[in-house]
Amino acid sequence: GPKVLQIPSHQIIDMGQMVTLNCDPVSNHLYFYWYKQILGQQMEFLVNFYNGKVMEKSKLFKDQFSVERPDGSYFTLKIQPTALEDSAVYFCASSLVGGNSDYTFGSGTRLLVI
Amino acid sequence: AQSVTQPDARVTVSEGASLQLRCKYSYSGTPYLFWYVQYPRQGLQLLLKYYSGDPVVQGVNGFEAEFSKSNSSFHLRKASVHWSDSAVYFCALSRNNNNAPRFGAGTKLTVKP
Repeated sequence: GPKVLQIPSHQIIDMGQMVTLNCDPVSNHLYFYWYKQILGQQMEFLVNFYNGKVMEKSKLFKDQFSVERPDGSYFTLKIQPTALEDSAVYFCASSLVGGNSDYTFGSGTRLLVI
Repeated sequence: AQSVTQPDARVTVSEGASLQLRCKYSYSGTPYLFWYVQYPRQGLQLLLKYYSGDPVVQGVNGFEAEFSKSNSSFHLRKASVHWSDSAVYFCALSRNNNNAPRFGAGTKLTVKP
């Protein structure tokens, strides 16, 4: 079936540096999401993005986080500056509609901040 | 506000046995409910979803779930598990069309041969 691709699959970065996580969503999907999962724990919602705007975000979506999807290209999550507690697996998801929809998840980007 | 509780962090069953993974939710309105499975180092895969209609919903690979409004539950079941069902299972809830799913803590299922 259709897939969400996440690039890179792994990233190691020095604390304080900027990192951009890339997500290539399913081509006709309109809603995009980022989730954070700390080593085998709960999948925590970060942000929901639609029509060029953040629709909702959680308390985990700190001021250092930003999302965009310029010109229908990658949906990106940027963290600037990074902190040690940002180490986690970040999952991107997309859906055609919200609510009762089939959400397609990527395989995650494993981010390690050292 | 909405929340999802999966009371069992780990479940171990023998191959061929029946399975029930519990999910309780808290939401005053009509929820969209989901079950996802996560295999090691992979993303989540949708097993089934429910919004309205027959409270028993069928999913992939022989899984089904039953919605109970009175119990605020959406338990996942399978009649006979296979070793390949070993994975982490997440229950999730969405409030409406502009609300992203919120996940429970997950239940790690181990199927013994």
